[in-house]
Amino acid sequence: ETGVTQTPRHLVMGMTNKKSLKCEQHLGHNAMYWYKQSAKKPLELMFVYNFKEQTENNSVPSRFSPECPNSSHLFLHLHTLQPEDSALYLCASSQEYETDTQYFGPGTRLTVL
Amino acid sequence: AQTVTQSQPEMSVQEAETVTLSCTYDTSENNYYLFWYKQPPSRQMILVIRQEAYKQQNATENRFSVNFQKAAKSFSLKISDSQLGDTAMYFCAFELSGAGSYQLTFGKGTKLSVIP
Repeated sequence: ETGVTQTPRHLVMGMTNKKSLKCEQHLGHNAMYWYKQSAKKPLELMFVYNFKEQTENNSVPSRFSPECPNSSHLFLHLHTLQPEDSALYLCASSQEYETDTQYFGPGTRLTVL
Repeated sequence: AQTVTQSQPEMSVQEAETVTLSCTYDTSENNYYLFWYKQPPSRQMILVIRQEAYKQQNATENRFSVNFQKAAKSFSLKISDSQLGDTAMYFCAFELSGAGSYQLTFGKGTKLSVIP
């Protein structure tokens, strides 16, 4: 039990679909992150939120739209994705100041057909 | 920009033996943190060990220990008495210290197989 949960665990969608990934942390952290893990590539940071405010957007295409309604919840809205977007999407959280250990959720395995 | 290199895509070790996974990084900064994360087949990322760059003493966590060589920018992970449950992908990660530095930079990972 890491305190970070993600739903769904698996998702298959067509390129014209709209879906959302959900992340919830029960650790009282204030920073939350979305990562993308593609085969044989390093983990790629996508978005960072600190106190519900987006602080990082690593040149992510607009077909990925994050939302952070509060410090415990983070969403990733998906629309008109491409097959190359198929990957494992990991959510993480940490305390707000300085470097602190990030705790990861189990990930959502996304397949875009 | 920081980079993290894991030069061993795959490794194997006999159960109960010791194995060392290598990691090197590149940075011009002086204050940072280094991590090893484990990702078993369940895909959950689990923190294994954390090292503060200002500490000369190598971090240890039960059967896991690191050899941190700051001058050489090397951060290897040693797993002693390997167990079947250690089979996983292992990621080395780097993070700058200081307010506002929230970004972890990961290596590509090393796939470790523990053989019975």
